[in-house]
Amino acid sequence: TQLLEQSPQFLSIQEGENLTVYCNSSSVFSSLQWYRQEPGEGPVLLVTVVTGGEVKKLKRLTFQFGDARKDSSLHITAAQPGDTGLYLCAGVFYSSASKIIFGSGTRLSIRP
Amino acid sequence: EPEVTQTPSHQVTQMGQEVILRCVPISNHLYFYWYRQILGQKVEFLVSFYNNEISEKSEIFDDQFSVERPDGSNFTLKIRSTKLEDSAMYFCASSVVGELFFGEGSRLTVL
Repeated sequence: TQLLEQSPQFLSIQEGENLTVYCNSSSVFSSLQWYRQEPGEGPVLLVTVVTGGEVKKLKRLTFQFGDARKDSSLHITAAQPGDTGLYLCAGVFYSSASKIIFGSGTRLSIRP
Repeated sequence: EPEVTQTPSHQVTQMGQEVILRCVPISNHLYFYWYRQILGQKVEFLVSFYNNEISEKSEIFDDQFSVERPDGSNFTLKIRSTKLEDSAMYFCASSVVGELFFGEGSRLTVL
C-alpha cells in the first residue's frame, strides 16, 4: 500500500509566526504536489515539485522536495489568518503514473 | 477561467438505490479522476480514466462502482447499490499532465 504521511495533523498558531508542514513516504515519487482545501470545496493546486532537492517559492510559501524524492515540506513565513485551511500533499508514483495519492492532510488554523 | 463542474451538489438517497454523479471536465484535459472524502477524513483515490478506459483503480472501487464517458464531455460515476458507508463528498478532477483540477464536489448522503 502506498502511503503518504503528513505531520502535524493539526496546527494552530498565532498570526505572524512561521510554520512547517511535512509529507513523508517510504516510496519514491516521480513528482509531488501540494494542494489547499477550504471547507465544502475541492482541493486547489498550489505547486508541483519534480526534481529531487527542488525548492519553489510562492509568496510566503516555500516548498521543498527531498533529495531522495521521498519527502517534501511546506514552510509558511509570517502566517496570516487567510492561510487557514487544509493542506494536502499528493504523490505521483513511478509505478502508477495516473494514480495520484493524497496524504492525510494538515489542518492549519491561524489566530489573529 | 475553465473549471470542472459537478452535479448534483447534494444527493440524498436510500440504501440500496443506484446513484449517478456527473462531471464535466475541462475541455482540453485528457485524464479524469474520481476521489471521495468522508467527512473529516482524507481525500481517497477511486479511479482514473484515460483514452476511454480505466487507467487505475483503488481497492475501494469495487464492482458496485463504474465510470463512463458517454458523450465525450460528461464523465459519470455510478454506484449501483448504495451503502451507508458510501456517504461522502465525491470529487471529480481532470488534468492534462497530472496536475489535478477539482470540481466543487457532490455530497452523497445515504440513509
